[in-house]
Amino acid sequence: DAGVIQSPRHEVTEMGQEVTLRCKPISGHNSLFWYRQTMMRGLELLIYFNNNVPIDDSGMPEDRFSAKMPNASFSTLKIQPSEPRDSAVYFCASSRASNTEAFFGQGTRLTVV
Amino acid sequence: AQKITQTQPGMFVQEKEAVTLDCTYDTSDPSYGLFWYKQPSSGEMIFLIYQGSYDQQNATEGRYSLNFQKARKSANLVISASQLGDSAMYFCAMREGYTGFQKLVFGTGTRLLVSP
Repeated sequence: DAGVIQSPRHEVTEMGQEVTLRCKPISGHNSLFWYRQTMMRGLELLIYFNNNVPIDDSGMPEDRFSAKMPNASFSTLKIQPSEPRDSAVYFCASSRASNTEAFFGQGTRLTVV
Repeated sequence: AQKITQTQPGMFVQEKEAVTLDCTYDTSDPSYGLFWYKQPSSGEMIFLIYQGSYDQQNATEGRYSLNFQKARKSANLVISASQLGDSAMYFCAMREGYTGFQKLVFGTGTRLLVSP
């Protein structure tokens, strides 16, 4: 099993540009999570999908952020327009539905200049 | 309100000694799961150990054990015989709620430094 795959690993973009982060969860996993990690705020849950349906997006910071999961094997997190304060490491994780551990991707380090 | 509290920003331990990393949680749900993850300086998140709220015995995985005290709502991680490679950030996390509606939330983490 290849694990959770995120792309790109690193992204540098200019303020105002659109950024799309991609995630392929582990096959057979029902739940998918997007997290943002910064020194100041730690590991924040942005949005959580179950069976491709967004269950809780209360952590999405503002309307500039959107996430989709068109099928069980793919999810995107989009920031439009991006701002320097969006600079962070973004993690995607997946798990089976019930009380089980989540497996994390390698993360995408986003830098907005 | 914080669901997961880790009160130790940093901990130091000498190689080969045991160390306990504290975690308290807050939930009114009778069914929940508690997790510990390790994040080394390379940045990946590594799952270490899991404890279910109905589990009768404390979870163990090699040198890791979870000291689960349900009445106190604590789930401390014990690392025995520390190794230099244990130096990392450690996060406590919890899933609660009904199947299919269980988001996973993390504490702020504890940085562990193992010295020779």
